[in-house]
Amino acid sequence: GENVEQHPSTLSVQEGDSAVIKCTYSDSASNYFPWYKQELGKRPQLIIDIRSNVGEKKDQRIAVTLNKTAKHFSLHITETQPEDSAVYFCAAAVSGYKLSFGAGTTVTVRA
Amino acid sequence: DAGVIQSPRHEVTEMGQEVTLRCKPISGHDYLFWYRQTMMRGLELLIYFNNNVPIDDSGMPEDRFSAKMPNASFSTLKIQPSEPRDSAVYFCASRRGDSGNTIYFGEGSWLTVV
Repeated sequence: GENVEQHPSTLSVQEGDSAVIKCTYSDSASNYFPWYKQELGKRPQLIIDIRSNVGEKKDQRIAVTLNKTAKHFSLHITETQPEDSAVYFCAAAVSGYKLSFGAGTTVTVRA
Repeated sequence: DAGVIQSPRHEVTEMGQEVTLRCKPISGHDYLFWYRQTMMRGLELLIYFNNNVPIDDSGMPEDRFSAKMPNASFSTLKIQPSEPRDSAVYFCASRRGDSGNTIYFGEGSWLTVV
């Protein structure tokens, strides 16, 4: 099955700086790569996703890049704010049916 | 839309007792997923249904776990008998098959087995 590795496990950034989280996947058939944000005690919520026919996607301060050849994808958060503090999960799936999640990255934005 | 609705939100039970978790997917969604989240193992897919039919239950840890979906608006995850290692947050999620891949999670059921 799909194996998703996520790095780093924790990330502390100064408010206003950028944060980058990287993930690799094993199944070359995977074609859907969502990112979820989970605040303490809350549900995972989709923040951005990318499909394999796209190399990069942006939504305001968040961007995701995908390198299918290398089988890795990354989340970039620019101009970080305290409300960006949360656990972020990457995931990979074939057509979204069986999402395999990374282990998560705990992001702390220091004021 | 009310989103995916799960109950109970929190449950504390004694080892050996039966636990039943409930889920109502978003109306019109034809895929339903049960995930378990623990610190040690992260988010794991237990089972998923399409049009009320179980498609893949390879993630169900053992025979003590069972899941059903008697109709399009209701699913249950049952643990019998429960054990302390079953303590986790159980998330139900759903998606609509013909409108992209976005999966929406419920608020989760926080289970503690003592």
